[in-house]
Amino acid sequence: AQSVTQLGSHVSVSEGALVLLRCNYSSSVPPYLFWYVQYPNQGLQLLLKYTTGATLVKGINGFEAEFKKSETSFHLTKPSAHMSDAAEYFCAVSDRGNQGGKLIFGQGTELSVKP
Amino acid sequence: DADVTQTPRNRITKTGKRIMLECSQTKGHDRMYWYRQDPGLGLRLIYYSFDVKDINKGEISDGYSVSRQAQAKFSLSLESAIPNQTALYFCATSDWVGGKVEAFFGQGTRLTVV
Repeated sequence: AQSVTQLGSHVSVSEGALVLLRCNYSSSVPPYLFWYVQYPNQGLQLLLKYTTGATLVKGINGFEAEFKKSETSFHLTKPSAHMSDAAEYFCAVSDRGNQGGKLIFGQGTELSVKP
Repeated sequence: DADVTQTPRNRITKTGKRIMLECSQTKGHDRMYWYRQDPGLGLRLIYYSFDVKDINKGEISDGYSVSRQAQAKFSLSLESAIPNQTALYFCATSDWVGGKVEAFFGQGTRLTVV
């Protein structure tokens, strides 16, 4: 069965500092990989996804993530944090193929940005 | 209007009551999902439907039922609500055709069972 582990339920960074949110997955075959962001009192919004091809994927708001098959990881980074990045971030995986679409989520990481 | 609309946004109900959460979408997607979010646990899949005639249990379906009334509508029911069903509930849709794998989420329904 697939599973997703996000290391660190809370991460705090200073404005302008590097953001690194960690995600590791367990799956018998490489799945599709996603990062979603949830702002307070809102639904989830897709930041970026990896399906195939280039392992470094760029998303919205300056975020990027790198798929590392050997490490079964998909860590999210942003070079310089902004106050507006404060939110909860979820890593998720899905099977490939026609039975895909059902998302398995990690526990979430709440990002705080200090002025 | 939002692509995925959930009603109600907030609901307080009593233990033992039946309650229905509704979801409608304008994306034209066949696939719809219900998730539950609890602090520290992320989101977990309750039920999913790949088309109008298809209903499947997810990871945590006990105590819940669903109805797919049309391509655009997918409702979640709690037959007899209990306090540990207090959570934030999300409906989502996806296309999953031609590589379109993004899921679109509603704003969520915050349910409190007292």
